[in-house]
Amino acid sequence: GAGVSQSPRYKVAKRGQDVALRCDPISGHVSLFWYQQALGQGPEFLTYFQNEAQLDKSGLPSDRFFAERPEGSVSTLKIQRTQQEDSAVYLCASSLKRGSGSDYEQYFGPGTRLTVT
Amino acid sequence: GIQVEQSPPDLILQEGANSTLRCNFSDSVNNLQWFHQNPWGQLINLFYIPSGTKQNGRLSATTVATERYSLLYISSSQTTDSGVYFCAVGFGNEKLTFGTGTRLTIIP
Repeated sequence: GAGVSQSPRYKVAKRGQDVALRCDPISGHVSLFWYQQALGQGPEFLTYFQNEAQLDKSGLPSDRFFAERPEGSVSTLKIQRTQQEDSAVYLCASSLKRGSGSDYEQYFGPGTRLTVT
Repeated sequence: GIQVEQSPPDLILQEGANSTLRCNFSDSVNNLQWFHQNPWGQLINLFYIPSGTKQNGRLSATTVATERYSLLYISSSQTTDSGVYFCAVGFGNEKLTFGTGTRLTIIP
């Protein structure tokens, strides 16, 4: 079936602009994760949803970052007043098909590359 | 939080060679995944292996959870194997913590 999709794939924003990044998880996946990957580093956790509930947002770097998943499917990561240090690839992952027991394998989308100028 | 170390950081091999990548982690986990990040940035799932041994073609992986390490074996390397290999660990259906990766370059 279809994998995780993200849009846009590339985004250039001027410093101070707001951006919204979209993630469509694998159909039927209960959990959705956002990660940030800086150049040359491994992905780092930002936030996590189970259905529509945001269970962990400990990785969000500032209150300019906000994520939502209102109907338990599509999620949006919003960054307000972007700064140059926000430039990175933002990855979305989904996991845990309903009824799959303890299979916690996460599947990643292609990412959105954000460049703040 | 949990620490994940991968070694070696860089590996350059001739096509056809075999390699072993290692992942050490600092705490008990019940989720461990190996990924290959291709040159376009896509994270490709290789193994979901919280314990035991699995094989998929030229790749295999072993996790010894009690000793907190995992190994990824690549045999008969091909140029398409080039890229960065990440180990990531977690507990339950929670966040993954990634290592810093091993950059593998296969020379024709």
